[in-house]
Amino acid sequence: KNEVEQSPQNLTAQEGEFITINCSYSVGISALHWLQQHPGGGIVSLFMLSSGKKKHGRLIATINIQEKHSSLHITASHPRDSAVYICAVRNQGAQKLVFGQGTRLTINP
Amino acid sequence: GAVVSQHPSWVICKSGTSVKIECRSLDFQATTMFWYRQFPKQSLMLMATSNEGSKATYEQGVEKDKFLINHASLTLSTLTVTSAHPEDSSFYICSARVWDRQETQYFGPGTRLLVL
Repeated sequence: KNEVEQSPQNLTAQEGEFITINCSYSVGISALHWLQQHPGGGIVSLFMLSSGKKKHGRLIATINIQEKHSSLHITASHPRDSAVYICAVRNQGAQKLVFGQGTRLTINP
Repeated sequence: GAVVSQHPSWVICKSGTSVKIECRSLDFQATTMFWYRQFPKQSLMLMATSNEGSKATYEQGVEKDKFLINHASLTLSTLTVTSAHPEDSSFYICSARVWDRQETQYFGPGTRLLVL
């Protein structure tokens, strides 16, 4: 069973700040997902990573397979980035995702 | 990008009634669909994995006779909550895996169920 830990659980920052959310897992994986869930509930898939780094707009996701660790960065944060960010991993050979507990991000204007 | 829809987005029903939730992949074929439920301020909990044309695989502790899942086509899966009770009130989310990109998984907008 894979244990997925996210930190911090809650994060409040001012608009414009650089944000980092961390995710660690315990067992080798085939892929790691970063998801965003807004207060309305809908979930958006931000990134799927199996190695290296991906960038989309102001969002950057990195993964270190050897260290079993991933980070999600948000540059020039904005109040509309306020949401819960969820890390999820798929174990090798498995169908289902294992979810972290989520990081609740609040960006104040 | 790929879109997954759910219908209805909101449902309020009386205790004892059955509720059907539809999950559709709108512009791709999904061999596998997942059904999750989420309680307030908690993470998603996988209920079952549904493969097209075969019986769903339920997670431990999820009653298969209570939560009926049908995955009749590559674009449609349904979850029926039978004889719903107030403790079934929750946020139900489906997710679909793309046929030709097995690591890609798209999530629906969710269905909020309130049982009175």
